[in-house]
Amino acid sequence: DVKVTQSSRYLVKRTGEKVFLECVQDMDHENMFWYRQDPGLGLRLIYFSYDVKMKEKGDIPEGYSVSREKKERFSLILESASTNQTSMYLCASSWGAGANTEAFFGQGTRLTVV
Amino acid sequence: RKEVEQDPGPFNVPEGATVAFNCTYSNSASQSFFWYRQDCRKEPKLLMSVYSSGNEDGRFTAQLNRASQYISLLIRDSKLSDSATYLCVVNNQGGKLIFGQGTELSVKP
Repeated sequence: DVKVTQSSRYLVKRTGEKVFLECVQDMDHENMFWYRQDPGLGLRLIYFSYDVKMKEKGDIPEGYSVSREKKERFSLILESASTNQTSMYLCASSWGAGANTEAFFGQGTRLTVV
Repeated sequence: RKEVEQDPGPFNVPEGATVAFNCTYSNSASQSFFWYRQDCRKEPKLLMSVYSSGNEDGRFTAQLNRASQYISLLIRDSKLSDSATYLCVVNNQGGKLIFGQGTELSVKP
């Protein structure tokens, strides 16, 4: 079974803290994604990585950065957490750019910034 | 305009009903298309891929119209267990997956 593991299910952080969300996949997938999900807005892409050290901005990259030093690990970094970054964060991975590439998701991290 | 747009929902239907979800996408270079299902407080999971010729999986039928940039999902004979949020997903060039905002379905007894 494909497994995508996010390091925490729930996190509470203070405004201004630097926050790291970690994601690991065990299927040797090329692509990895970070989304945030908010009520009424669906999943919005923050960043996408198609290879080690390669990244592409999604729709809402402001306030976030990412790191992909190894193929299996994709980290999302909130440089200075703000209350509007309170959300559910979902990591996903998939095979390369070919057609019909299914994405597998982690269970999500619910981040609350106070 | 959002890159992938879905019917806003929610859809409330009785058991046994047929329900259709629609989705439009703006990028004509999009390569592949999917419907995902997300249960409450769970992660999204692939329901089915959508092929140009249309495809069926039991009670579920997916259609793609590339000319109109339109995708649909039809659920026949709805079950209580079909209650979930249905997400339209488009795979753009390079493998980037863009999600619609989702449509909530509630099937009532």
